[in-house]
Amino acid sequence: DADVTQTPRNRITKTGKRIMLECSQTKGHDRMYWYRQDPGLGLRLIYYSFDVKDINKGEISDGYSVSRQAQAKFSLSLESAIPNQTALYFCATGGGGPIHEQYFGPGTRLTVT
Amino acid sequence: DAKTTQPTSMDCAEGRAANLPCNHSTISGNEYVYWYRQIHSQGPQYIIHGLKNNETNEMASLIITEDRKSSTLILPHATLRDTAVYYCIVRVARRGSYIPTFGRGTSLIVHP
Repeated sequence: DADVTQTPRNRITKTGKRIMLECSQTKGHDRMYWYRQDPGLGLRLIYYSFDVKDINKGEISDGYSVSRQAQAKFSLSLESAIPNQTALYFCATGGGGPIHEQYFGPGTRLTVT
Repeated sequence: DAKTTQPTSMDCAEGRAANLPCNHSTISGNEYVYWYRQIHSQGPQYIIHGLKNNETNEMASLIITEDRKSSTLILPHATLRDTAVYYCIVRVARRGSYIPTFGRGTSLIVHP
């Protein structure tokens, strides 16, 4: 089984709808991250969490919110989806040690029409 | 964290070594070099990291220059499955508020 899972894998929604993307991990890591990727661009950080009680904004948090329900779960919400939020979304985890490589989920392809 | 510069794209023949350069001229003494790759629309995958010494694992080798201002990721026998975007990241390895950032990376195409 995958260490980091994301649901759904693909989603098409309409402008103005609320949508939630979910992420679960079995790595036992404290740190979790949400990134978005647009075609031809690198990954941009939306939100991150260093433990269950910690939530931090990344560079592009406007229009998004997150919830860290448990160590293993970190969900991303679009309160009112808009077309320029069409992108590939990745969840990642990372250990808190000095060498903390990240482990990424398979991604969620979101299309807002 | 230090800024990195990578070529936008490279290509390599299958079976040959792929050498991907990264410039990090402003690197500090306590900053590590990390490499990740992203195979078409999949989540990025950690490859290797290093501080001063050259490193090798089952996936690749990392050569860091003596002045640490640049490094090269080497895939010794590239296969078609190595076609991907490769990201070089430089950052301090410590507990605390590390925020990983990914630039545009190098798009490597391995051709038959």
